[in-house]
Amino acid sequence: QVQLQESGPGLVKPSETLSLTCAVSGYSISSGYYWGWIRQPPGKGLEWIGSIYHSGSTYYNPSLKSRVTISVDTSKNQFSLKLSSVTAADTAVYYCARGYGIVGVPYFDYWGQGTLVTVSS
Amino acid sequence: DIQMTQSPSTLSASVGDRVTITCRASQSISSWLAWYQQKPGKAPKLLIYKASSLESGVPSRFSGSGSGTEFTLTISSLQPDDFATYYCQQYNSYSRAFGQGTKVEIK
Repeated sequence: QVQLQESGPGLVKPSETLSLTCAVSGYSISSGYYWGWIRQPPGKGLEWIGSIYHSGSTYYNPSLKSRVTISVDTSKNQFSLKLSSVTAADTAVYYCARGYGIVGVPYFDYWGQGTLVTVSS
Repeated sequence: DIQMTQSPSTLSASVGDRVTITCRASQSISSWLAWYQQKPGKAPKLLIYKASSLESGVPSRFSGSGSGTEFTLTISSLQPDDFATYYCQQYNSYSRAFGQGTKVEIK
């Protein structure tokens, strides 16, 4: 059974960098699939942040591209998100997920439980 | 930039009702569309992919149809466990991927 678990600080100061890690169990990241990040501001809808293919190719939401970096660590079977220069608008529940698709924006079949990140001083 | 528009935003229905949610894309996305169900405080759950393919383990009362720019999610007989928010997602291009959501409420 594929399982994903997000981890990282729950509170980040404005202008700093948000960093999250997603640990994957039950499947080897290097074997295939996309691995992505999605966020959901409190009371609002879902927003795709970006995805990384098992080969290391990355795909980002154009609206966030200048601030986002997604990387993978196959030795630890985990992948990470960095979002720089955060503001209160980046406060959200952040989900990691496994994806399947053809052009870098996959659909997601397995999701982590989500972690709330609040941007505040 | 593809825009995904769901309708209605909120739907009130009773147990046993047939429910239909529509998702429209601003340009053709072929059949590259998925549907998710999300309950409060939980991660979304994949229901349908490639517009009409039922994800393993999802009850057969859920079905999807459409191609190009117009898609529907149908629940044939609404069950108590189905009251939730539903999202469509296009996976054809790098742009706004998700619709804004449709909340299915108890009538």
